[in-house]
Amino acid sequence: DTAVSQTPKYLVTQMGNDKSIKCEQNLGHDTMYWYKQDSKKFLKIMFSYNNKELIINETVPNRFSPKSPDKAHLNLHINSLELGDSAVYFCASSRQGEQYFGPGTRLTVT
Amino acid sequence: GENVEQHPSTLSVQEGDSAVIKCTYSDSASNYFPWYKQELGKRPQLIIDIRSNVGEKKDQRIAVTLNKTAKHFSLHITETQPEDSAVYFCAASINNNDMRFGAGTRLTVKP
Repeated sequence: DTAVSQTPKYLVTQMGNDKSIKCEQNLGHDTMYWYKQDSKKFLKIMFSYNNKELIINETVPNRFSPKSPDKAHLNLHINSLELGDSAVYFCASSRQGEQYFGPGTRLTVT
Repeated sequence: GENVEQHPSTLSVQEGDSAVIKCTYSDSASNYFPWYKQELGKRPQLIIDIRSNVGEKKDQRIAVTLNKTAKHFSLHITETQPEDSAVYFCAASINNNDMRFGAGTRLTVKP
């Protein structure tokens, strides 16, 4: 009964490829997020969706496109991957404050 | 937008000592201040949080204080144990919507 799940856990791919990361939450939360954690452990918000609508879109290259098919899912598609995209990507969900994070997806671009 | 600064970036203490991590925020409208602990290779997990209508909150060995006037909040861990070793993140948000994290503090507790 995992609260927030992400797939895949690890993703190794070459520059220029397109890849997707999926996220699902079974907590009934209205808001979902994508964060990027770089090698220095800095945790930076990328996107936030509330009831399938985009409410936060930080300064992220437009190669990154989130998609929320329903309240329980927020997927992240990345086009034309670059070396600098290598990081751990965390999905999270919340209702009244506390954010529940997924296990993370470690993306390595070679 | 909100900007959260966190200090120190690394902290090493002896087991049993106290550890204090401090954060400042820029937006006086921020009203929710959580602290997350991230162990190596794991996800961040909430350990304590405080809202702007409260000045202090305690949960066993962990306490958080908030000074709204100065826009400071701090995490205090007493009687530290080796299993407290992790990266700790403070965060601030307005109505829970746009969480901004500090840069993190790597705490090492030496046995």
